[in-house]
Amino acid sequence: DQQVKQNSPSLSVQEGRISILNCDYTNSMFDYFLWYKKYPAEGPTFLISISSIKDKNEDGRFTVFLNKSAKHLSLHIVPSQPGDSAVYFCAAVTTGGGNKLTFGTGTQLKVEL
Amino acid sequence: GAVVSQHPSRVICKSGTSVKIECRSLDFQATTMFWYRQFPKKSLMLMATSNEGSKATYEQGVEKDKFLINHASLTLSTLTVTSAHPEDSSFYICSAPPRLAGGVMYFGPGTRLLVL
Repeated sequence: DQQVKQNSPSLSVQEGRISILNCDYTNSMFDYFLWYKKYPAEGPTFLISISSIKDKNEDGRFTVFLNKSAKHLSLHIVPSQPGDSAVYFCAAVTTGGGNKLTFGTGTQLKVEL
Repeated sequence: GAVVSQHPSRVICKSGTSVKIECRSLDFQATTMFWYRQFPKKSLMLMATSNEGSKATYEQGVEKDKFLINHASLTLSTLTVTSAHPEDSSFYICSAPPRLAGGVMYFGPGTRLLVL
């Protein structure tokens, strides 16, 4: 049972444009959401997070939006840069539930020149 | 920032041997560490939670006798893949939270295991 889903396995965007990565979840107990970036043969690196009490969090070029009623979150990257090309995982956690992260299946982002 | 290291980064072994992977938190103490496994083009699957001073907690479907976890100190957790078989070949990643609140997790660089 995939509780966190990223329905787009890949996304291609031109440099300078906006990248929008989507993530849906089914478990209403999740109250904290994170985005990680991963290069091949490396561990994930933390990008940005959002608590369920917020609907938006911004950090530089990265903005995460949360729609609790739709159980949907998205990561916006603008402007996209070639160095952003990587696999992006969204993850969800129930704080107080042992800090176990549930990951989505990932979206491969390719930013083209 | 918080750093988590893993050793080795890559290991090739023969079928039937055991392989130990170390996970260290370098600038913080971690009473809990997590071990994940990633199959090609798949998500990271949580295998187990490593608890300092007590037994690890394994996720459903993960053989605890196959994947031995020891959290020897507040900065070190080890995963031993016992009697490894080719199907154990995978990318193993550990993580540790520098603080309990917030859910932010820092990950190690991963260990690529290839069992021949």
